[in-house]
Amino acid sequence: QQQVKQSPQSLIVQKGGIPIINCAYENTAFDYFPWYQQFPGKGPALLIAIRPDVSEKKEGRFTISFNKSAKQFSLHIMDSQPGDSATYFCAASAEGGGSQGNLIFGKGTKLSVKP
Amino acid sequence: DSGVTQTPKHLITATGQRVTLRCSPRSGDLSVYWYQQSLDQGLQFLIQYYNGEERAKGNILERFSAQQFPDLHSELNLSSLELGDSALYFCASSVSRTGGPGETQYFGPGTRLLVL
Repeated sequence: QQQVKQSPQSLIVQKGGIPIINCAYENTAFDYFPWYQQFPGKGPALLIAIRPDVSEKKEGRFTISFNKSAKQFSLHIMDSQPGDSATYFCAASAEGGGSQGNLIFGKGTKLSVKP
Repeated sequence: DSGVTQTPKHLITATGQRVTLRCSPRSGDLSVYWYQQSLDQGLQFLIQYYNGEERAKGNILERFSAQQFPDLHSELNLSSLELGDSALYFCASSVSRTGGPGETQYFGPGTRLLVL
């Protein structure tokens, strides 16, 4: 059972474009939504995260938009650069015990930014 | 560099064998998590330890086990290996027990396991 669905699987944009990656979740108990960035040969690294009490969060060129009623959230990368080429994972977790408190990842989006 | 170290970087073994993957968390982090990353399943949570005790289990096979030692390093043991166990295995660490909302998990560089 896939609790976090991510799309698209891959994305190609030109430098300066605004790639958008979307995620949808099913479990209404989720209340923490991080995005991780992974470069080839490296482990995932936290990029930005949001809680459901806000609809948008910006950090530098990265913005998360959150729609609680639709159970969807998305990552926008402004003025994308070739150095942003990586795989991006959305994730979700819920407060509380057991494995639900741990991160459930989407399947990832491979982003390629062309010069 | 996340501060989480994993050894070995690469491991090639045969079906039916047993291997041990090692992880050292960031200094001061008490929780260690293990994840498996494969092309078809993505990143899947396997198990979490906090200060030496198992805290949560995810999609971990019975052939797999883990432990966290008093110095907080952790080992993931994979036995009776099958071809389908070939994957990247990541360790992550975080400061406290909850591992939940608001707590960043820092990932190591991973161990690439190839079962032939």
